[in-house]
Amino acid sequence: KQEVTQIPAALSVPEGENLVLNCSFTDSAIYNLQWFRQDPGKGLTSLLLIQSSQREQTSGRLNASLDKSSGRSTLYIAASQPGDSATYLCAVKGANSKLTFGKGITLSVRP
Amino acid sequence: SQTIHQWPATLVQPVGSPLSLECTVEGTSNPNLYWYRQAAGRGLQLLFYSVGIGQISSEVPQNLSASRPQDRQFILSSKKLLLSDSGFYLCAWARLGLAGQQYFGPGTRLTVT
Repeated sequence: KQEVTQIPAALSVPEGENLVLNCSFTDSAIYNLQWFRQDPGKGLTSLLLIQSSQREQTSGRLNASLDKSSGRSTLYIAASQPGDSATYLCAVKGANSKLTFGKGITLSVRP
Repeated sequence: SQTIHQWPATLVQPVGSPLSLECTVEGTSNPNLYWYRQAAGRGLQLLFYSVGIGQISSEVPQNLSASRPQDRQFILSSKKLLLSDSGFYLCAWARLGLAGQQYFGPGTRLTVT
């Protein structure tokens, strides 16, 4: 059974800092990995999707990497801003087409 | 462009009452549709998914059910709510195939009292 872990559960950083959010998964037989952002009381917004054949994806200040063999992904946020404060979730898609989610990392960027 | 709608946005229901949450998708056809629940302090739990009209797969045995009466409509129901049904319910869609992204709706906050 696939398990996705995101540690730590919460993170607080000063504005302007570059930061890395980690995600690990137990079964490397995945089709893709997605990073989402969730604001309090809101739905999930897809940030980046990495197919299993890819190593990284970039969008603006965000860069996500995938090391399928070691079961790890990172989300790099450059020059963090208070508006980046949210919960970030990673999810992996297995052969059954279902997503398995981590519990998320709640990020707070202090002005 | 594609959009996904959920309603109602919030709902407060007494224990034992029925439930009906609706999700509709616009701008695409033959989507895979999903219902998730997010409870406080827990991750997203997949409840149901559907690959076509009338085709529903259940992930978690419980007092909830799902139906897909139309291609882009997905309904989550219960005949009698339990306190443990409280949570944030999210609908999502994805294009057919394994490589597609999932896109989420705005969610419904359900409180069972």
